Amino acid sequence: EAQVTQNPRYLITVTGKKLTVTCSQNMNHEYMSWYRQDPGLGLRQIYYSMNVEVTDKGDVPEGYKVSRKEKRNFPLILESPSPNQTSLYFCASSPSGTWGNEQFFGPGTRLTVL
Amino acid sequence: TQLLEQSPQFLSIQEGENLTVYCNSSSVFSSLQWYRQEPGEGPVLLVTVVTGGEVKKLKRLTFQFGDARKDSSLHITAAQPGDTGLYLCAAYPEDAGNMLTFGGGTRLMVKP
Repeated sequence: EAQVTQNPRYLITVTGKKLTVTCSQNMNHEYMSWYRQDPGLGLRQIYYSMNVEVTDKGDVPEGYKVSRKEKRNFPLILESPSPNQTSLYFCASSPSGTWGNEQFFGPGTRLTVL
Repeated sequence: TQLLEQSPQFLSIQEGENLTVYCNSSSVFSSLQWYRQEPGEGPVLLVTVVTGGEVKKLKRLTFQFGDARKDSSLHITAAQPGDTGLYLCAAYPEDAGNMLTFGGGTRLMVKP
């Protein structure tokens, strides 16, 4: 089944404790991205990647890191999480970064930083 | 201020009623998409509109892209409880390359 998977689905952590949220897609998509979703703000893009080893900042990159060493994986790293990073996170992939392409979303990761 | 403004933010209606959701901006977009999101899941694409003035229909849903490619609307005819969810518009601004921007969303509840 073609899909985007994220792990973990739920995570409660404390301020300053480094964490990684994994994202993997099995559709051979070139484009992958991370979003955070907060009430009333819709989805805001954190980082995106046009292809392996190519990453760019989105709207809200502060406090996050990403890497794209393999085509299928795009982990999101929070080196020192803070309470304002409590949010619902979505990973998405697309055949390419060309505008108009459908984004396929993962199921989301609900992160709480205490 | 968000690049894409959606209205209304919340909408609660009875089964069988019609409704329209709006997505507005002062920017011009290369294309605009509508997604629907259910609780506990990621958004799922409903439609992509590309040409100014374009109208697309998906069963009881009608999508329109403004002539100037700055706004869009989603009209649902005879809403059903299964239409309940969060509706998000998203667009690629002409001057922002490959960065997809989302509106704040419209949360729709259709009561039986």
